[in-house]
Amino acid sequence: GAGVSQSPSNKVTEKGKDVELRCDPISGHTALYWYRQRLGQGLEFLIYFQGNSAPDKSGLPSDRFSAERTGESVSTLTIQRTQQEDSAVYLCASSFGTGGTYEQYFGPGTRLTVT
Amino acid sequence: SQQGEEDPQALSIQEGENATMNCSYKTSINNLQWYRQNSGRGLVHLILIRSNEREKHSGRLRVTLDTSKKSSSLLITASRAADTASYFCATRSISGGSNYKLTFGKGTLLTVNP
Repeated sequence: GAGVSQSPSNKVTEKGKDVELRCDPISGHTALYWYRQRLGQGLEFLIYFQGNSAPDKSGLPSDRFSAERTGESVSTLTIQRTQQEDSAVYLCASSFGTGGTYEQYFGPGTRLTVT
Repeated sequence: SQQGEEDPQALSIQEGENATMNCSYKTSINNLQWYRQNSGRGLVHLILIRSNEREKHSGRLRVTLDTSKKSSSLLITASRAADTASYFCATRSISGGSNYKLTFGKGTLLTVNP
């Protein structure tokens, strides 16, 4: 079966513009995660979705960031009024469940460059 | 905030040698996982070790966990050029409300020279 897919793979945008990043999780995976990875750094947790429960948005860095997920399918991460510090790779992951030992499967990421 | 801290930050070895990377963390964990990342893109899960385990093997990988020292090590034996990548440890908290979160370190960049 297909893995986690993300689009676009690369996005260059001007400062102040809005961008929308898309994630298609593995079919049947109820949990979906967004992470941000700045150059040379580890992954920062942004947001988590589990089924129809309220998402955990505790990692979103500002109110310019938002994300949605429809049921257990596609998720979109939206960044409004982009700033240069938003430049990073945005990674999406999904897992079958959220118990302690469920593996997260990662997509290839979207590399966002804000000029 | 980053819980895991890997060291060294960068490691360069010759093909055939063993590579050892270490990870330290701060809070109590449910499990610790190691991931590999090629060329700054998607991560691939390598191995998971639970908090009640001390050592685990998978192919050429050996992971140890010392919960008293809050540290883990990843050993790659008989390294190959294809092992060149960044390696991250990630911890899963035991906190019931947020035990789904993985907290990643900054990674070790491993270069295996042919």
